Amino acid sequence: NAGVTQTPKFRVLKTGQSMTLLCAQDMNHEYMYWYRQDPGMGLRLIHYSVGEGTTAKGEVPDGYNVSRLKKQNFLLGLESAAPSQTSVYFCASSYSMWGEQFFGPGTRLTVL
Amino acid sequence: KNEVEQSPQNLTAQEGEFITINCSYSVGISALHWLQQHPGGGIVSLFMLSSGKKKHGRLIATINIQEKHSSLHITASHPRDSAVYICAVSSSNSGYALNFGKGTSLLVTP
Repeated sequence: NAGVTQTPKFRVLKTGQSMTLLCAQDMNHEYMYWYRQDPGMGLRLIHYSVGEGTTAKGEVPDGYNVSRLKKQNFLLGLESAAPSQTSVYFCASSYSMWGEQFFGPGTRLTVL
Repeated sequence: KNEVEQSPQNLTAQEGEFITINCSYSVGISALHWLQQHPGGGIVSLFMLSSGKKKHGRLIATINIQEKHSSLHITASHPRDSAVYICAVSSSNSGYALNFGKGTSLLVTP
């Protein structure tokens, strides 16, 4: 089993460009999450999903959109990238609401 | 939001030393998680606990619900233990999300 995978691993964007980050899990988990990690700060929740077809905002949702069309995939979109979105993005999934979370390897995004 | 504080922020130890990392939180929780992140690497869940104590190899995690405090201990530390250790909590007032501490950066020297 691959667990949680993320694509791409690295990306450089120019301000105003758009992109989509893909997260996939093969553990049949209902719950999926997108976090960002910035130096000196703890991981912060961007959006999450409690099942196929559902999404909800987290702590820092502005500038991002998400979709969960299939149970195994959770997509994070940046419509118009800004330098403040330079960060490392982690996807995670869990079987239950407050259960152990399994993390992907991360995507390092730089917005110039 | 449940405030999660970790101490120390940075820790350097010699190989073989006993290490303790502390985590305190502000609101009652449903579970506390300890995670490990190696430099440039992904994040791995070490423990999830809501009471008492758990042990895995040289790692021990304890929690005191009344004092809103948890500790992560590493016995006989080794250079491969060098990593950032992150405490996170889940509680009803944070919805489905984990609230994370800023992490403790551990360096174990030979």
